[in-house]
Amino acid sequence: ILNVEQSPQSLHVQEGDSTNFTCSFPSSNFYALHWYRWETAKSPEALFVMTLNGDEKKKGRISATLNTKEGYSYLYIKGSQPEDSATYLCAFMDSNYQLIWGAGTKLIIKP
Amino acid sequence: NAGVTQTPKFRVLKTGQSMTLLCAQDMNHEYMYWYRQDPGMGLRLIHYSVGEGTTAKGEVPDGYNVSRLKKQNFLLGLESAAPSQTSVYFCASRQGSGTEAFFGQGTRLTVV
Repeated sequence: ILNVEQSPQSLHVQEGDSTNFTCSFPSSNFYALHWYRWETAKSPEALFVMTLNGDEKKKGRISATLNTKEGYSYLYIKGSQPEDSATYLCAFMDSNYQLIWGAGTKLIIKP
Repeated sequence: NAGVTQTPKFRVLKTGQSMTLLCAQDMNHEYMYWYRQDPGMGLRLIHYSVGEGTTAKGEVPDGYNVSRLKKQNFLLGLESAAPSQTSVYFCASRQGSGTEAFFGQGTRLTVV
């Protein structure tokens, strides 16, 4: 059974601080790693799709890194703002193109 | 620019009743998925389809059936609803192998 673990489960961060969280996934049969942002009462929206070991992606203040050999990805948020409050999901895509989802990290930004 | 549309958005069913959830996408995507999302758990795959006329079981298929008669539509059926099927259901679609998934707005189903 393939397992995707995200940590921490939830995180409170002061506005203006930077933060990061982790997604761990199987290091075999890797095809891609997805990150999604899920705001309350909305549906998940894709942030990044990463496929190569060592990939780094950036979108504004949010960036992500990928290590497929050891099976982890980090998501970084620089200078957190209230609008960053959301649940961040990662999903591991295996070589059969199936997505296996983590349970998410709930980020709460305190003003 | 509709993207992925789910109907209905909310529904309350009595135990034993049946219903169908509709997912429609206008992006010509090949892959479509039905997930359920329960508190404290990640998205769990119920059924999926890799193209028109195809369906396959996911992680939690029991109690559900699906059909993909047209490429743009993916239907999820509950033949005899049970309280354990109380959940938020999400439909998603994507184009090909490594591409991102696009989600519908979700259907909140309560079975009493």
